[in-house]
Amino acid sequence: GAVVSQHPSRVICKSGTSVKIECRSLDFQATTMFWYRQFPKQSLMLMATSNEGSKATYEQGVEKDKFLINHASLTLSTLTVTSAHPEDSSFYICSAPFLAGGQDTQYFGPGTRLTVL
Amino acid sequence: RKEVEQDPGPFNVPEGATVAFNCTYSNSASQSFFWYRQDCRKEPKLLMSVYSSGNEDGRFTAQLNRASQYISLLIRDSKLSDSATYLCVVGSSGGYNKLIFGAGTRLAVHP
Repeated sequence: GAVVSQHPSRVICKSGTSVKIECRSLDFQATTMFWYRQFPKQSLMLMATSNEGSKATYEQGVEKDKFLINHASLTLSTLTVTSAHPEDSSFYICSAPFLAGGQDTQYFGPGTRLTVL
Repeated sequence: RKEVEQDPGPFNVPEGATVAFNCTYSNSASQSFFWYRQDCRKEPKLLMSVYSSGNEDGRFTAQLNRASQYISLLIRDSKLSDSATYLCVVGSSGGYNKLIFGAGTRLAVHP
């Protein structure tokens, strides 16, 4: 089956630093990838859609200058949290689209747990 | 009103029990429907797609009622390993644009 990897799995950083998270599709190409954020006991919230060769599409309320997305190749998308603050601490998950049971769906990476001190 | 609503639970059931989860969605134009499973501090994993005709995968049965905008998941003969959060997920339009997630229903299966 499809495999999506993420790196790093866990990050602890000081307030004000930038953190880069990588998302890779390992056995298929993905011209589109998605970035989600999940706070404890809440649902996944889509932050942005990453598009290979063009700008990312951000959801309402997500600051594009704070959450920089680069879709460098057909298998790699990166999310950079710039000038991270404690309120950015969350579980960040990427996904890539895949066809399952005749329906377009998404497979998820293992997630990156970010803690900003 | 949330786009996808689920009872948060938790559902505490003994092994072998049958348990049913319900979900409603607000966008009548939604095209695709899924149940995902999420274990604590892990990523969501696709459990099954959901169709109007209903579909079954072993102990799991999913049903979609488009008229009522209602999705269900039935788990028979619950196992300890079924303990997780079950996410009702709706695709907002044709293709793979935007999955909308419910907040999830927690299931705890005890011996």
